[in-house]
Amino acid sequence: AQKVTQAQTEISVVEKEDVTLDCVYETRDTTYYLFWYKQPPSGELVFLIRRNSFDEQNEISGRYSWNFQKSTSSFNFTITASQVVDSAVYFCALRKNAGNMLTFGGGTRLMVKP
Amino acid sequence: KAGVTQTPRYLIKTRGQQVTLSCSPISGHRSVSWYQQTPGQGLQFLFEYFSETQRNKGNFPGRFSGRQFSNSRSEMNVSTLELGDSALYLCASTPGTSGFSYEQYFGPGTRLTVT
Repeated sequence: AQKVTQAQTEISVVEKEDVTLDCVYETRDTTYYLFWYKQPPSGELVFLIRRNSFDEQNEISGRYSWNFQKSTSSFNFTITASQVVDSAVYFCALRKNAGNMLTFGGGTRLMVKP
Repeated sequence: KAGVTQTPRYLIKTRGQQVTLSCSPISGHRSVSWYQQTPGQGLQFLFEYFSETQRNKGNFPGRFSGRQFSNSRSEMNVSTLELGDSALYLCASTPGTSGFSYEQYFGPGTRLTVT
């Protein structure tokens, strides 16, 4: 069975602070895919990144960066110089090689205060 | 390209009634998945349809069903509604049903309230 754990249920930071959202996953599959989604108050899940299990290269996109470590089964997400618009719930998710079923973590609510 | 659309956006139903929710995927996408989001259980997978066939099903009772049409549009139906069915129902579409290149794009959701 697959499982995704986001231990931080809520994080509050002041604007311009860096913040890291943790994600730990469990799977017996050798090939799998990890995702991060952002859910603003409007409710729609916005895709941020996909990472394949065979690609451990870290990725940076503007103020966002992701650190994937298979050795610790973690896929952490860092926002540099946070902004109020980053306030949202962030979900980490895991998918098998076949099919489109996503297993989501419980989400981390990020509040960025001005 | 238009995104995933879901109708209706909000719905209020009474216990015991049934409800049908609709999802139109991104043009060209053939796979549609449904998820239920509640404060207590979080985001849970309901089912996935590809080429009008159910490919995967989550751990939900038989009251939850779905179908997909030849144009890839999908509907989900919940019969004999219970208070616990109150949730945000999200639909997601992808071009195919497997492979490394697919990410799921979500619609705005239908918020169902059962009274």
